Amino acid sequence: IAGITQAPTSQILAAGRRMTLRCTQDMRHNAMYWYRQDLGLGLRLIHYSNTAGTTGKGEVPDGYSVSRANTDDFPLTLASAVPSQTSVYFCASSDSSLTEAFFGQGTRLTVV
Amino acid sequence: KQEVTQIPAALSVPEGENLVLNCSFTDSAIYNLQWFRQDPGKGLTSLLLIQSSQREQTSGRLNASLDKSSGRSTLYIAASQPGDSATYLCAVRLVSGGYNKLIFGAGTRLAVHP
Repeated sequence: IAGITQAPTSQILAAGRRMTLRCTQDMRHNAMYWYRQDLGLGLRLIHYSNTAGTTGKGEVPDGYSVSRANTDDFPLTLASAVPSQTSVYFCASSDSSLTEAFFGQGTRLTVV
Repeated sequence: KQEVTQIPAALSVPEGENLVLNCSFTDSAIYNLQWFRQDPGKGLTSLLLIQSSQREQTSGRLNASLDKSSGRSTLYIAASQPGDSATYLCAVRLVSGGYNKLIFGAGTRLAVHP
């Protein structure tokens, strides 16, 4: 079934550790996004990529980095995790930067 | 700064009722608006996408309207069912140069009871 796959589904991480959240889509979408969802704050954009080879910062990029080496993959890296990065992370994609966005099932990350 | 507000925050109705969920946004310079459904502990499922040039979109029992000039969108759910229970999110897409993003409302949590 075509769609977006995120891994892991959930993770408990010690503060200070490095972590990469994986996101793969098989729809050949050009644009991909990372959001975090927090109670009371809704969904906020972390980083985005309009096409392979390009990335950009969203609303809350600090402490996160991304890469877009190919069309299908858009990993999100936390270089040194902090408790405030405890959240549910969603990866999304769209055919272009302006069309319907599709979301993955999310990664629940707890930093302790 | 674009802000998206959804009213009500929560809604509980008996099965069979017709519902209206509201979404308002402060900046009318949007490219499109998308409605999503989110079940507890799950991802977001796209329901309807309305381009800024459109007035409404329909899918089954769902109808979404858009009034860009007044900064409003409504999601109409006909003949509600318990399976409609979920959180409904609206998001507007802004475009500025090479940068674009979806800005989300906080959602309306809907409970439909038998």
